[in-house]
Amino acid sequence: DAGITQSPRYKITETGRQVTLMCHQTWSHSYMFWYRQDLGHGLRLIYYSAAADITDKGEVPDGYVVSRSKTENFPLTLESATRSQTSVYFCASSEPYRGSYEQYFGPGTRLTVT
Amino acid sequence: KQEVTQIPAALSVPEGENLVLNCSFTDSAIYNLQWFRQDPGKGLTSLLLIQSSQREQTSGRLNASLDKSSGRSTLYIAASQPGDSATYLCAVRDYNQGGKLIFGQGTELSVKP
Repeated sequence: DAGITQSPRYKITETGRQVTLMCHQTWSHSYMFWYRQDLGHGLRLIYYSAAADITDKGEVPDGYVVSRSKTENFPLTLESATRSQTSVYFCASSEPYRGSYEQYFGPGTRLTVT
Repeated sequence: KQEVTQIPAALSVPEGENLVLNCSFTDSAIYNLQWFRQDPGKGLTSLLLIQSSQREQTSGRLNASLDKSSGRSTLYIAASQPGDSATYLCAVRDYNQGGKLIFGQGTELSVKP
């Protein structure tokens, strides 16, 4: 089915482990984003990408690494997971159709770091 | 720095009632404003997007308005149904922050049968 998918949907990992969250979109949108959603903080931007091989930091990038070698994929890596990175992670994509940049979100990955 | 506020944080109404959700933002330098719906444990679904040059957008029973000069937007839901129960988020695409989306904390809506 076309759209934006995330995997895994649920993940439990231990402190200090490396974890990669995957995001794939079938629309060929140029922009892709990673957000985390936490109670009391709402949605916060971690990283975004304007095109393949172009990435930039958002509001809370520390402890995360991204890459974008292909337009359709935008993986997010936690290099050494910490308990404070327990959260729900959302990937989104957008395209400047008529200047709107309307964002479309994936279903999310619930990550627990023990 | 742009701040987006949604009041109330939670709202409970009986089925069939018309209701208004509020969103305010501190800086009028925006490209557009987007309303989303989020069901528990799910991702965000885009409902309506209003460009900064527009005053309102409509989709079915939903009508969103934008008053950029006063920093306010409303989402009007007509003839509410239990299936409308969800959290509604607004987000502005901020001109001064490279076009990033700045989100409000959301309004949790419960429509009672």
